Amino acid sequence: GQNIDQPTEMTATEGAIVQINCTYQTSGFNGLFWYQQHAGEAPTFLSYNVLDGLEEKGRFSSFLSRSKGYSYLLLKELQMKDSASYLCAVVDSNYQLIWGAGTKLIIKP
Amino acid sequence: EAQVTQNPRYLITVTGKKLTVTCSQNMNHEYMSWYRQDPGLGLRQIYYSMNVEVTDKGDVPEGYKVSRKEKRNFPLILESPSPNQTSLYFCASSPGTGENIQYFGAGTRLSVL
Repeated sequence: GQNIDQPTEMTATEGAIVQINCTYQTSGFNGLFWYQQHAGEAPTFLSYNVLDGLEEKGRFSSFLSRSKGYSYLLLKELQMKDSASYLCAVVDSNYQLIWGAGTKLIIKP
Repeated sequence: EAQVTQNPRYLITVTGKKLTVTCSQNMNHEYMSWYRQDPGLGLRQIYYSMNVEVTDKGDVPEGYKVSRKEKRNFPLILESPSPNQTSLYFCASSPGTGENIQYFGAGTRLSVL
């Protein structure tokens, strides 16, 4: 079966750094997405990785290791507005998206 | 403004009363999809459409129908809603599958009593 694992919930402090991990076991791999979703709102695109390595985009970075079936999203200089759920999704061999259950990130002052 | 529009945003209904949730996109996207989101389960795909008149089942299609008569519209139909279809529903569109970014509607919160 296809499986994507993320921690259910994480807590971090404003101004700090947090790393949200995602491990996957899928039938084929054609890329990995991270989306951000504020409570009750629509998911919005954060990043896309298809090659190994780190992609940096402002305060957010995303890392991929295809050999390990592993990705992480790194958020720096945390702000209260970063409180949200972060969804990991893998593109499988049929070019369909397989979604993780999401990680709820709570930022404390 | 490029957007995906869902209606209604909130709906309370009773078991067995047919309903339709509309979805429209103005980005000329070929691919459209419906998801439901339940606590602890993440996004689960109900149906998707690769183009006009082409629809396919996702992971949880039972109890739902869709149609794609025009490129911009992709309505979700619940012929006989049941309480287990109480959920948050999202419509999404993208230029294609795979590496293409999906753009989501604002969501429809449905309660079936």
